[in-house]
Amino acid sequence: IVLTQSPGTLSLSPGERATLSCRASQSVSSSYLAWHQQKPGQAPRLLIYGASTRATGIPDRFSGSGSGTDFMLTISRLEPEDFAVYYCQHYGSSPLYTFGQGTKLEIK
Amino acid sequence: EVQLVQSGAEVKKPGESLKISCEGSGYSFSNYWIAWVRQMPGKGLEWMGIIYPGDSDTRYSPSFQGQVTISADKSVSTAYLQWSSLKASDTAMFYCARRSREGGYFDYWGQGTLVTVSS
Repeated sequence: IVLTQSPGTLSLSPGERATLSCRASQSVSSSYLAWHQQKPGQAPRLLIYGASTRATGIPDRFSGSGSGTDFMLTISRLEPEDFAVYYCQHYGSSPLYTFGQGTKLEIK
Repeated sequence: EVQLVQSGAEVKKPGESLKISCEGSGYSFSNYWIAWVRQMPGKGLEWMGIIYPGDSDTRYSPSFQGQVTISADKSVSTAYLQWSSLKASDTAMFYCARRSREGGYFDYWGQGTLVTVSS
């Protein structure tokens, strides 16, 4: 399974809404779709698992949705600390774990 | 508090061997899979392999099979990633990550170990 994220780069201003896409090459179980955030110079951090469940401590401006082959991460109102790279991740069969190539969310 | 603490940055020459580590704390280390993830400079995340410290069951990504060795010592709550002969192309940041019990996602990440291979 290949995960394709779009856009590659998203330029928005604080306060705006961000919508990031993750498309799978074949249908996947939403139970096994996660999103991670990586800020410059930092390790990734789990944001969303099971396609729509926020991880502990993640603000409710972050939400995940989707099923089958199309999944989305939405940030309702961007805060300055949200500008980062976002990766979707799938747990499957072969390979066991797959990441999308990432979407860079940058300040406009 | 769950923590994964990785060993420090390394600078090595091509052909040298290396073993980096990831120590878990704040949870039952033996009972959670630990994965290794590569991030080459300016690039995305790549899953390398995963180990279950309880019985050392290990799975590798086809891309990394035979290139690295993953091991664990549950007595010291530590997982390892090692190379027998480094190449310049092994220069990257390496992260360990704990796999959740429920859905296969990685719920906690180590801080990363930067490996630089240069003559």
